[in-house]
Amino acid sequence: QKEVEQNSGPLSVPEGAIASLNCTYSDRGSQSFFWYRQYSGKSPELIMSIYSNGDKEDGRFTAQLNKASQYVSLLIRDSQPSDSATYLCAVSLTGGGNKLTFGTGTQLKVEL
Amino acid sequence: NAGVTQTPKFQVLKTGQSMTLQCAQDMNHNSMYWYRQDPGMGLRLIYYSASEGTTDKGEVPNGYNVSRLNKREFSLRLESAAPSQTSVYFCASREAGSYYEQYFGPGTRLTVT
Repeated sequence: QKEVEQNSGPLSVPEGAIASLNCTYSDRGSQSFFWYRQYSGKSPELIMSIYSNGDKEDGRFTAQLNKASQYVSLLIRDSQPSDSATYLCAVSLTGGGNKLTFGTGTQLKVEL
Repeated sequence: NAGVTQTPKFQVLKTGQSMTLQCAQDMNHNSMYWYRQDPGMGLRLIYYSASEGTTDKGEVPNGYNVSRLNKREFSLRLESAAPSQTSVYFCASREAGSYYEQYFGPGTRLTVT
């Protein structure tokens, strides 16, 4: 089992819809969770961080964390074509020191 | 603030050649990282430096060496490049501790022929 797992996609949603991206992790003691967006040919860009169970909202983005079920999700409301990118989930695992462990990413396509 | 900067942006090497990828950050972060990204493989950690004066191997260290020159700079060296090292290389930095975000440089696209 991979330490951080994401569905590779592509996930296709129509413009204006809600995109839901999911990530599961293996280490129950993990403390911090991050979502990065990566456009093709560019570097990963941090868009959300979450540390406590529940929801965290920032503009059109909502991160949801459920430590009991060991999953973290990212919701994108009112999806726009400019949201088309690969979304990487990253987790600070227990005993990982100062490292983050990344999932392989989910490709999102927002269609007109 | 420039954030994390990397040089060069692109590089083509012949098999057996050596080169050093440079990374610098101006955010006063303690920890710095080198990743490679290949299609379908995600980001894989090559080496990291938790603080100035320390370096540790990551998931895929073979064929690479690193130097943490000072708090700002962290370089990655390929002593004898191989085609398997064709990849996009990202440097990142982060404040020490679990709750801090990691910030990436723009990347170096390396091709080894």
